[in-house]
Amino acid sequence: QQPVQSPQAVILREGEDAVINCSSSKALYSVHWYRQKHGEAPVFLMILLKGGEQKGHDKISASFNEKKQQSSLYLTASQLSYSGTYFCGTEISYNAGNMLTFGGGTRLMVKP
Amino acid sequence: DTGVSQDPRHKITKRGQNVTFRCDPISEHNRLYWYRQTLGQGPEFLTYFQNEAQLEKSRLLSDRFSAERPKGSFSTLEIQRTEQGDSAMYLCASSLGPLEAFFGQGTRLTVV
Repeated sequence: QQPVQSPQAVILREGEDAVINCSSSKALYSVHWYRQKHGEAPVFLMILLKGGEQKGHDKISASFNEKKQQSSLYLTASQLSYSGTYFCGTEISYNAGNMLTFGGGTRLMVKP
Repeated sequence: DTGVSQDPRHKITKRGQNVTFRCDPISEHNRLYWYRQTLGQGPEFLTYFQNEAQLEKSRLLSDRFSAERPKGSFSTLEIQRTEQGDSAMYLCASSLGPLEAFFGQGTRLTVV
């Protein structure tokens, strides 16, 4: 039931753009995006609740295609502070209720 | 409110001993999740509570693992007869229904 993320790793120069994809084999209620820096807890970035919804703040945005069971995270004009591992979490219906499961992560390194 | 808190932050135990971790969620949050994370991997779902009811438990979780959430407030995760393979970061997260989940700082378990 875990979502699949791609790519597994990205190396960027400051100012470049990146796209991280997340796909699921199950119908999704929502998609959550998190960033985790080494030795720290995952930090919430955004949640997408409806099919076809797009959200964004600053230079990080995301889209959610409910029909395709996919989401993408867009990082534009990347900054050094964007470095970390990005996880998508997908809320799926399970036996007794919904549960939130996470992909394996995409490691992003932004170099000066 | 100070967010999700976990205690202890670090635990070193000898193989075969029992350990118990505590998670205090954000006060109005009705959902509480436990995850396990090893180096370089995404958070692996362990179990999930809606209020005091444990709705889901990972099939990968052995009988040595048990979790409780009495009165729908704090939660405890107990591991009996610890093994070296149990060494990991144990993360707790809480959310208000299907909205964004917030993580605690985690408990790092080392089994020697």
